Amino acid sequence: EAGVTQSPTHLIKTRGQQVTLRCSPISGHTSVYWYQQALGLGLQFLLWYDEGEERNRGNFPPRFSGRQFPNYSSELNVNALELEDSALYLCASSSTGGRFSSYNEQFFGPGTRLTVL
Amino acid sequence: GNSVTQMEGPVTLSEEAFLTINCTYTATGYPSLFWYVQYPGEGLQLLLKATKADDKGSNKGFEATYRKETTSFHLEKGSVQVSDSAVYFCALSVMRFGAGTRLTVKP
Repeated sequence: EAGVTQSPTHLIKTRGQQVTLRCSPISGHTSVYWYQQALGLGLQFLLWYDEGEERNRGNFPPRFSGRQFPNYSSELNVNALELEDSALYLCASSSTGGRFSSYNEQFFGPGTRLTVL
Repeated sequence: GNSVTQMEGPVTLSEEAFLTINCTYTATGYPSLFWYVQYPGEGLQLLLKATKADDKGSNKGFEATYRKETTSFHLEKGSVQVSDSAVYFCALSVMRFGAGTRLTVKP
C-alpha cells in the first residue's frame, strides 16, 4: 500500500510569490491535514480537510489556504510569501472522517521543504 | 481547551541508558494519545498509541501508559540505542502536538 505522497520535495521561492503544495493521501483515507514545521520548532497545525470540506483551521493568516478534491487529494496554497514561511510542510491522512476523527492515527508524508529568499 | 505539554529537551544519553520523556495533557472527554517519532530528514511516523485510560502502548522497546489520574502519557525505554536518535512528539489529537523532544544517543 502506497503511503502519503507529497510534491514537490523541495521548493525555493522569493518573497511575495505564491506557492502550491500537493498531497495524496493513503487510498481509502478521507481526512487530510496540513502542518508547518519551522526549523527548530514543533508542528503547527494549519488545516484539516475531510470529505472535501474544511473542518478546522489553525492560527495562520488567510494567505494560507487549501482545498480537497473529490479523490481526497489536497493542495495547500500560500500567497504573498514571507521569509518566515520557510519551513517543512507536512501532510498527513487518516482513515475515517466524522466528528471523532481528530483522535485518529495519522500517517504522514515526507514533507515539502519550502525556502523563501 | 485541549492541550499537550511535553518536556522539550534536548536530551542526550549514552547508549543503553534509560529514557523518559514526559508528556501531560488537558482534555475533555476521553481522547486517544499518541507518540510520533521523526527521524532525521523524514516525516513523522506513529510510534505507539493508547485509546483509553490504563492502556499501555508499546513498540520497538518504547512504552507509554495512559494515566487518567495524572493526565500523563510519558514515553519510556529501558535501553536506548544510537538508532533511537530522533525527535519525539506527544499528541492528543490532530491539532494538539507537543513541542517535540530531540533525543541524541551517543555510543
